[in-house]
Amino acid sequence: NAGVMQNPRHLVRRRGQEARLRCSPMKGHSHVYWYRQLPEEGLKFMVYLQKENIIDESGMPKERFSAEFPKEGPSILRIQQVVRGDSAAYFCASSPGTGGSNYGYTFGSGTRLTVV
Amino acid sequence: RKEVEQDPGPFNVPEGATVAFNCTYSNSASQSFFWYRQDCRKEPKLLMSVYSSGNEDGRFTAQLNRASQYISLLIRDSKLSDSATYLCVVNWGDSSYKLIFGSGTRLLVRP
Repeated sequence: NAGVMQNPRHLVRRRGQEARLRCSPMKGHSHVYWYRQLPEEGLKFMVYLQKENIIDESGMPKERFSAEFPKEGPSILRIQQVVRGDSAAYFCASSPGTGGSNYGYTFGSGTRLTVV
Repeated sequence: RKEVEQDPGPFNVPEGATVAFNCTYSNSASQSFFWYRQDCRKEPKLLMSVYSSGNEDGRFTAQLNRASQYISLLIRDSKLSDSATYLCVVNWGDSSYKLIFGSGTRLLVRP
C-alpha cells in the first residue's frame, strides 16, 4: 500500500513561471492537506481539500496560489508567476475522513521548489 | 506569542546521554499533541502522539501539562541515529484537521 506520493521531488522555476505540484493520497483517502515549509521554519498549513471541494484555504496566499482535488487524479497545488519567496518545501498529507489531525498525519516526501 | 514555541537548539549531546525538549502552545482549546522527527531535507515523520497521562515508546517519553500548556519529550540513551530536528505539533484549537508546527529543536548526538 503506497503512501502519499508527491511529484516532482525537486522543481526549479524561473521567476514568473508557473509551478504545478502533484499529490496522490494514500489509497482510499479522500482528504488532502497541503503544508509549506520555508527554510529554517516549521510547516505551515495551506489548504484542506476533499474530492472536488476546497474545505479550508485560509493558509493560502491570496494571490497566485490555487489548489484542486478533482474527482479523478491527484491533487494539484498551482503557483502562478513564481517569485523567489515561493522557494520552499511543499508537503502533502492525506486521511480517509475528517478528524485526521487527531491521529497525526503521514506526509509525502515533499516537493522542493527553487525559484531562480 | 507564537502558536507553538520551541527552543531551536542545537542540543549537542554525547551518545548515551538523556536529553529533554520542551514546547509551549498558545491555544488552550487544542486537544491533539504530537512529536514529529524531521531529518535534513526529508519529510516530517510522526514520532509519537502525546497523551494527558504521559506515554512512553522505548527510549522516548512524552508528557503533557494542559494547565501550563506545555509538552515535553525525553530521549534516553541517545543514539547517533537520533540526530534530527524534533517538531512539536498541536492541532489548532478544536480543529479536526489543522496542525500547527513548531519550528523544531535540533539534536546532534556525537560519538
